[in-house]
Amino acid sequence: AQSVTQLGSHVSVSEGALVLLRCNYSSSVPPYLFWYVQYPNQGLQLLLKYTTGATLVKGINGFEAEFKKSETSFHLTKPSAHMSDAAEYFCAVRNNYGQNFVFGPGTRLSVLP
Amino acid sequence: NAGVTQTPKFQVLKTGQSMTLQCAQDMNHEYMSWYRQDPGMGLRLIHYSVGAGITDQGEVPNGYNVSRSTTEDFPLRLLSAAPSQTSVYFCASSYGRLAGYEQYFGPGTRLTVT
Repeated sequence: AQSVTQLGSHVSVSEGALVLLRCNYSSSVPPYLFWYVQYPNQGLQLLLKYTTGATLVKGINGFEAEFKKSETSFHLTKPSAHMSDAAEYFCAVRNNYGQNFVFGPGTRLSVLP
Repeated sequence: NAGVTQTPKFQVLKTGQSMTLQCAQDMNHEYMSWYRQDPGMGLRLIHYSVGAGITDQGEVPNGYNVSRSTTEDFPLRLLSAAPSQTSVYFCASSYGRLAGYEQYFGPGTRLTVT
């Protein structure tokens, strides 16, 4: 069975600082990996996804993530945090053999002035 | 395109009442899913469909029914509401493997059961 863990339910960074949100997954077959962002009282919006090919994936709003198979990780980074990045971030995994996405519990990002 | 739409946005039910949450998509997506979101638990899959006439259970299906008579619509029925079903419900749709299963989410329905 697939599972996703996100280290840290709440992460605070200063504006302009590096953002690092951690995601580790378990999957017995090559996965599809996703990061979604949720702003207050809204639905989820796709930030980026890994399917095949290049392991460094660039997404919207300056975010990127690197798929590391040996570490079963897909950490999300952004070089310089902006106040507008404050939101909840969800990592998710899917593979070709299961029908479903599995989401992590989420990490709430706060950006301090 | 409207994308994925959900109605209603908010709903308050009394214990034992039934209701249907509506979900529609205009992107001709094969896959549709219903999730519930509870604090600290991420999104949990309730039911999903891989095409018209085909549905299956997810992680937390008890107390919910679905049907998919058309590609566009995927309603979620609460049979007899319970306080444990107080949650935010999201509908999502996606293409299949060739599109990387990218899911598009609706704005959600906030349900309170008293």
